[in-house]
Amino acid sequence: GAVVSQHPSWVICKSGTSVKIECRSLDFQATTMFWYRQFPKQSLMLMATSNEGSKATYEQGVEKDKFLINHASLTLSTLTVTSAHPEDSSFYICSARELSSGYEQYFGPGTRLTVT
Amino acid sequence: EDQVTQSPEALRLQEGESSSLNCSYTVSGLRGLFWYRQDPGKGPEFLFTLYSAGEEKEKERLKATLTKKESFLHITAPKPEDSATYLCAVGSGGSNYKLTFGKGTLLTVNP
Repeated sequence: GAVVSQHPSWVICKSGTSVKIECRSLDFQATTMFWYRQFPKQSLMLMATSNEGSKATYEQGVEKDKFLINHASLTLSTLTVTSAHPEDSSFYICSARELSSGYEQYFGPGTRLTVT
Repeated sequence: EDQVTQSPEALRLQEGESSSLNCSYTVSGLRGLFWYRQDPGKGPEFLFTLYSAGEEKEKERLKATLTKKESFLHITAPKPEDSATYLCAVGSGGSNYKLTFGKGTLLTVNP
């Protein structure tokens, strides 16, 4: 149980284009989903928290107009990186939490984004 | 601001050589101390949640313990397949609940 998937697992895009990453909870309803990014040999940095049907809450320093988050259903959240630049290249990981199951977050396998 | 410090940054063990990883933390209103395992190029895999000082949890060769200031992940008789980065995180907040992660300990177990 508690399986989270992400798609795609890796993507290469050109500078200036937009990329959408999907995060799905496969066997539970995720009342809250989280988006993180991780640079090489660094830990996970929280970008934003989204609750189903509500606007996402972004961490300080994260541009909400650049990283668009949608959590339209209890099993799907999307992260769109708009007008991507090489500095946006990173490992993006989502996690999901089922409110009735405590505070555990279950993570997806991650998406490697490379902007050329 | 919540802070999590993990030590050592890297640990190299021989197969069967037991050891412990440390996670010290400061948090306002602890809502869970979490241990995850992360393999290269993959997302973190949930291991344990600890909620109160004195609590212990075990899973195969791993045992996690918690005090008011730190947590330990004890690895007994490790095997090469235990090689990974082990991440510690603290949860805090109510409606704005979130996890704060440490930088991790890279564990290498040599056969």
